[in-house]
Amino acid sequence: KQEVTQIPAALSVPEGENLVLNCSFTDSAIYNLQWFRQDPGKGLTSLLLIQSSQREQTSGRLNASLDKSSGRSTLYIAASQPGDSATYLCAVRPSNTGKLIFGQGTTLQVKP
Amino acid sequence: DGGITQSPKYLFRKEGQNVTLSCEQNLNHDAMYWYRQDPGQGLRLIYYSQIVNDFQKGDIAEGYSVSREKKESFPLTVTSAQKNPTAFYLCASSFPGQSSYNEQFFGPGTRLTVL
Repeated sequence: KQEVTQIPAALSVPEGENLVLNCSFTDSAIYNLQWFRQDPGKGLTSLLLIQSSQREQTSGRLNASLDKSSGRSTLYIAASQPGDSATYLCAVRPSNTGKLIFGQGTTLQVKP
Repeated sequence: DGGITQSPKYLFRKEGQNVTLSCEQNLNHDAMYWYRQDPGQGLRLIYYSQIVNDFQKGDIAEGYSVSREKKESFPLTVTSAQKNPTAFYLCASSFPGQSSYNEQFFGPGTRLTVL
């Protein structure tokens, strides 16, 4: 059974710092991996999607990497800003299904 | 603007009542999904539908029911059989599973509280 883990559960950093969020999954048979942002009481905003054949995707200050063989993905945020404060969720799509399996999220606080 | 809408934003249910949460999308997506989120936890899949008039149970389908009569709409009914329905409910949609463009997009959510 596919399980997704995100560490740490919470992270607090000063503004301007570069940071890395971690996501690990137990079964490497995935179709893709998606990173989301969630603000309190809101829905999810898709940040990046990495297909299983890809190693990384970039969007602005965000860079996501995927190492399928080791079951790991990282989300790198450069030059963090207070507006980046939110919960970040990763989710994998197993190869044999259309559904997503989510991690529990990392809650990020960027202090001015 | 293309997107996913959910209504209502807040919903209160008395013990023993059935309630229906609405989800509509105009993204021309074939697949739609319902997730439940509890405080401090990730999302868990309730039901999903890959095409009109077809749907499958997710990991926590007990006490819930769905219908998919139109491509744009995927309503979720929380029945009285659901023991602990208080949660945040999120609807999502995507192109079909085998498409390269199967990124899931989410609605704003409905917060259901049992009184």
